[in-house]
Amino acid sequence: EVQLVESGGGLVKPGGSLRLSCAASGFTFSSYNMNWVRQAPGKGLEWVSSISSSSGYIFYADSVKGRFTISRDNAKNSLNLQMNSLRAEDTAVYYCASYSSSLGGDWGQGTLVTVSS
Amino acid sequence: EIVLTQSPGTLSLSPGERATLSCRASQSVSSSYLAWYQQKPGQAPRLLIYGASSRATGIPDRFSGSGSGTDFTLTISRLEPEDFAVYYCQQYGSPFGQGTKLEIK
Repeated sequence: EVQLVESGGGLVKPGGSLRLSCAASGFTFSSYNMNWVRQAPGKGLEWVSSISSSSGYIFYADSVKGRFTISRDNAKNSLNLQMNSLRAEDTAVYYCASYSSSLGGDWGQGTLVTVSS
Repeated sequence: EIVLTQSPGTLSLSPGERATLSCRASQSVSSSYLAWYQQKPGQAPRLLIYGASSRATGIPDRFSGSGSGTDFTLTISRLEPEDFAVYYCQQYGSPFGQGTKLEIK
């Protein structure tokens, strides 16, 4: 069974940092591109960042560029998102999602990040 | 940056009817990286269509995707009650469209 399990969310003060992780199992992690997507309460999906299967291509939304860093460890089947200089507008549920143009993809259940003083 | 515009914003239909959702890109996109997602309230999104026209695992064949270049379409041939949800298109590595809410008429 394919599983993507996010962790690391929580309450953090503005200006603080948080590291999200996503543990993958049940599929060949190294064959998939990976994404972080967030959803603020009552809002639509917002793409945050993507990393290709071998980490050769990395993309960020303008809203997080310079503050967030995506990384992956194919040996450990894990995806990470280091979030620095957090703002109130970063408050959202953060999802990790896999994507392959030939194999499809899946989503995790999300982890809530709340940025508040 | 590629901008995806979905239409209509809201689509009101009855079960059994056909739904046609549009996704238009501001510039030509690779079909390989065009996907459609479904999200129901309180749930994580799920992948419906990848590579513009391939159904993801477990997705019923009433869902189909088509298109190329700048114009893509998601079609639901005969709506079932569980299909009423919000649908998003996205090119991998780029922002999502704003979504189409499919509601029961």
